[in-house]
Amino acid sequence: AQRVTQPEKLLSVFKGAPVELKCNYSYSGSPELFWYVQYSRQRLQLLLRHISRESIKGFTADLNKGETSFHLKKPFAQEEDSAMYYCALRSGYSTLTFGKGTMLLVSP
Amino acid sequence: NAGVTQTPKFRVLKTGQSMTLLCAQDMNHEYMYWYRQDPGMGLRLIHYSVGEGTTAKGEVPDGYNVSRLKKQNFLLGLESAAPSQTSVYFCASSSSPGLAGEVVTQYFGPGTRLTVL
Repeated sequence: AQRVTQPEKLLSVFKGAPVELKCNYSYSGSPELFWYVQYSRQRLQLLLRHISRESIKGFTADLNKGETSFHLKKPFAQEEDSAMYYCALRSGYSTLTFGKGTMLLVSP
Repeated sequence: NAGVTQTPKFRVLKTGQSMTLLCAQDMNHEYMYWYRQDPGMGLRLIHYSVGEGTTAKGEVPDGYNVSRLKKQNFLLGLESAAPSQTSVYFCASSSSPGLAGEVVTQYFGPGTRLTVL
């Protein structure tokens, strides 16, 4: 069965420090992975997806099939990056399986 | 465009009461979803719909019913609310994958905070 694991509930860093939010997955087929973000008191929104190989707000994520990982990275964290981050795996024709989320806190 | 809207924003129920949460989208999306968000549990899919008149069970469907009578609306019902259903409920919608099965983005509503006493 498909599974998404985000091992850290909370990640606290200082402004300007590098950030890596971990995501590991378990899936028998060809995985399609996403990162969603939820800022305080706002709705979830798509941050990026692996097939686009894009960089959004300075964040990047590379799919590593060997390690079954899709870690989210940013070289220099900003205070406005503080939010809840969810890794998600396409688990059916139209459904997503979400991880439990990691709260990122960036302190000044 | 309003995108995805949810009604109500907050609700407090007593155990055993019933209620219906309404989700509406104005993006002409085929697919709609109901999730619940609980601390430490992330988002879990309750039910979803791939088109008007269709529904399917997600990961945690027990205690909930849904209906998709109109393409733009997706209703989530609690027939007899229980304290375990205290949660934040999110609705989402997406267009259908194309012929090549390309991935599509899910657009989320603002959430409904439900407390069952």
